[in-house]
Amino acid sequence: DGGITQSPKYLFRKEGQNVTLSCEQNLNHDAMYWYRQDPGQGLRLIYYSQIVNDFQKGDIAEGYSVSREKKESFPLTVTSAQKNPTAFYLCASSITQGTEAFFGQGTRLTVV
Amino acid sequence: KNQVEQSPQSLIILEGKNCTLQCNYTVSPFSNLRWYKQDTGRGPVSLTIMTFSENTKSNGRYTATLDADTKQSSLHITASQLSDSASYICVVTANDYKLSFGAGTTVTVRA
Repeated sequence: DGGITQSPKYLFRKEGQNVTLSCEQNLNHDAMYWYRQDPGQGLRLIYYSQIVNDFQKGDIAEGYSVSREKKESFPLTVTSAQKNPTAFYLCASSITQGTEAFFGQGTRLTVV
Repeated sequence: KNQVEQSPQSLIILEGKNCTLQCNYTVSPFSNLRWYKQDTGRGPVSLTIMTFSENTKSNGRYTATLDADTKQSSLHITASQLSDSASYICVVTANDYKLSFGAGTTVTVRA
């Protein structure tokens, strides 16, 4: 099946820890994105990548880091510098920037 | 201020009834507008896409309209089903490919 897969579905982080969220796609899409979703707000862009080995900061990149070493993979690390990391994180991909985005099923991160 | 405003924030309807969701945007210059459906705890799934020149687009029981002059869009759900219970998100793409997301309207369909 073609699609975009996020893992894990639920993640718990202790204060001061870094955690990495996985995002893999087999759609052969060049562009990939990470969004954060909080209750009552629209999705906000954390980072995006238009091509392998290239990525750009979005609107709320502070406290997050990414890598794009392979076309299929775009992991997101939530660092200890992110003061309010509890949220629902969505990964998406598109053929190129601006075309229809296909979303993964999301990872819910909770700080304990 | 968010460039995409949706209303109402939430609504409850009886199964079989119709409803209409609103989306007003200020994004400019405008490329296209999409409506997504997001089930609880899942990722959004695209329902319709409309460009500047399109006024209406249907996908089954979902019909989207666009008035690019007034920068308004609506999503009409006909003969609602329990499976329509979800959040509906309006997404506007600018000419620079930047996406602006509305906060969504949560629809609850009751039997």
